[in-house]
Amino acid sequence: AQSVAQPEDQVNVAEGNPLTVKCTYSVSGNPYLFWYVQYPNRGLQFLLKYITGDNLVKGSYGFEAEFNKSQTSFHLKKPSALVSDSALYFCAVSFYGGSQGNLIFGKGTKLSVKP
Amino acid sequence: EAGVAQSPRYKIIEKRQSVAFWCNPISGHATLYWYQQILGQGPKLLIQFQNNGVVDDSQLPKDRFSAERLKGVDSTLKIQPAKLEDSAVYLCASSKSGYEQYFGPGTRLTVT
Repeated sequence: AQSVAQPEDQVNVAEGNPLTVKCTYSVSGNPYLFWYVQYPNRGLQFLLKYITGDNLVKGSYGFEAEFNKSQTSFHLKKPSALVSDSALYFCAVSFYGGSQGNLIFGKGTKLSVKP
Repeated sequence: EAGVAQSPRYKIIEKRQSVAFWCNPISGHATLYWYQQILGQGPKLLIQFQNNGVVDDSQLPKDRFSAERLKGVDSTLKIQPAKLEDSAVYLCASSKSGYEQYFGPGTRLTVT
């Protein structure tokens, strides 16, 4: 079955330090991978995606993610965290051949950045 | 460019009552999705429309949930009758390319 795992419920980082939010996936075929961020009482905002090509993708607000096919991972990273990055982050996967664009989400990781 | 609009933002109903949510996607986006997000979980797809046709409704509890997309633009999601376990945030999203989805602010439903 297609699935996405975010092994950490919460990640705590000091402002200015690098951050990583982990995501692994299990899909058949070639996955399309996404990161979304959710601020309180707001909808999900698209951060970045991997469809094909360079394994390192850059997105909004200085975030980037690296696709690793052998480890079936798509970890979200940022070199220097900001307090304003504190939010709930969701990894999602879609796959061609099924319902185009049908996203399967992980359960989310709460990122807390302390000053 | 205006984002995805949803209303109402909040709704409280008693079990066995009915409720309806409305969504207006971004102009020109042919694909529209409804997701259910239960507290502490990621969103789960309920139904996907391409223009005014249903692409995927395999996870829609059809005995109580229904959805329509009139003229390929606005969409309405209805629950009748509601159960306690329907308490969740209902998110509408739209997409032009089928890859990036743009989400509305959601409707928080509380069933008592």
